[in-house]
Amino acid sequence: QQQVRQSPQSLTVWEGGTTVLTCSYEDSTFNYFPWYQQFPGEGPALLISILSVSDKKEDGRFTTFFNKREKKLSLHIIDSQPGDSATYFCAAEAGANTGKLTFGHGTILRVHP
Amino acid sequence: EAAVTQSPRNKVAVTGGKVTLSCNQTNNHNNMYWYRQDTGHGLRLIHYSYGAGSTEKGDIPDGYKASRPSQENFSLILELATPSQTSVYFCASGDRDWGPYEQYFGPGTRLTVL
Repeated sequence: QQQVRQSPQSLTVWEGGTTVLTCSYEDSTFNYFPWYQQFPGEGPALLISILSVSDKKEDGRFTTFFNKREKKLSLHIIDSQPGDSATYFCAAEAGANTGKLTFGHGTILRVHP
Repeated sequence: EAAVTQSPRNKVAVTGGKVTLSCNQTNNHNNMYWYRQDTGHGLRLIHYSYGAGSTEKGDIPDGYKASRPSQENFSLILELATPSQTSVYFCASGDRDWGPYEQYFGPGTRLTVL
C-alpha cells in the first residue's frame, strides 16, 4: 500500500515557466515532509522541507505548500531552468521523530530551453 | 560537507550467490538506512539502524540482512541473490541534531543479478 502518492509521474515545462508537483498522504501521524531532488547517476539530496505546523516554506525559486486538512502538499518551482531537470521525490516522516521516511514514487521533470 | 560512500558502485552477481554492499559515513550520524530504487516504485526502505550494533527492518526486508558493526559502517547482505533483487541500492545517514531532519545519500550501487 502506497502511503505517499505523487503526481504527475513526469512533466515537461519550458524554461521560465512554473512547475507544480503534488503529493497526498493518508497517515495522519506524518508531520514532517521533505522534498528530495535527484540528478541522474546521483543519490537524492534534500531540496526543501516543511513541518505540519506550517503551511508554506520558501527557498529561492522553490516553495512548498502544505494543507493539513486535505493531507496534501505541493512543490512550486518558479522561473524553471534547464538545470532543474531532475527527479523529485516527496517524502513523509513515519511518526514523530522516528527518522524513517516514506517516499513517493517520484516525478521526472524536464525543463526545455 | 556530509559524506556517504558506497562500494562497490557496480556489481554483477549470479543467482544464489552472496552479495555484500558496503556503506561508510563520516558524518558521525547515529541513523543509517538502506533503500532500493526501482522505476515506478521510488525509494523503498529495506533496513535501517539507530546506532552501532542495532538493525531494524524497514518496509521490504525479505531476502536482505543488515549489519552495523560501527558508527561509520552499515552493510546490506543478500545471502541468496535473486534476479528480483536487481536494482539500484542507496545508503543514507541522518541525525536530528538541529534544524530540519535530513538524510544524506550515497551515490548508489547498481546491482545486477543474473
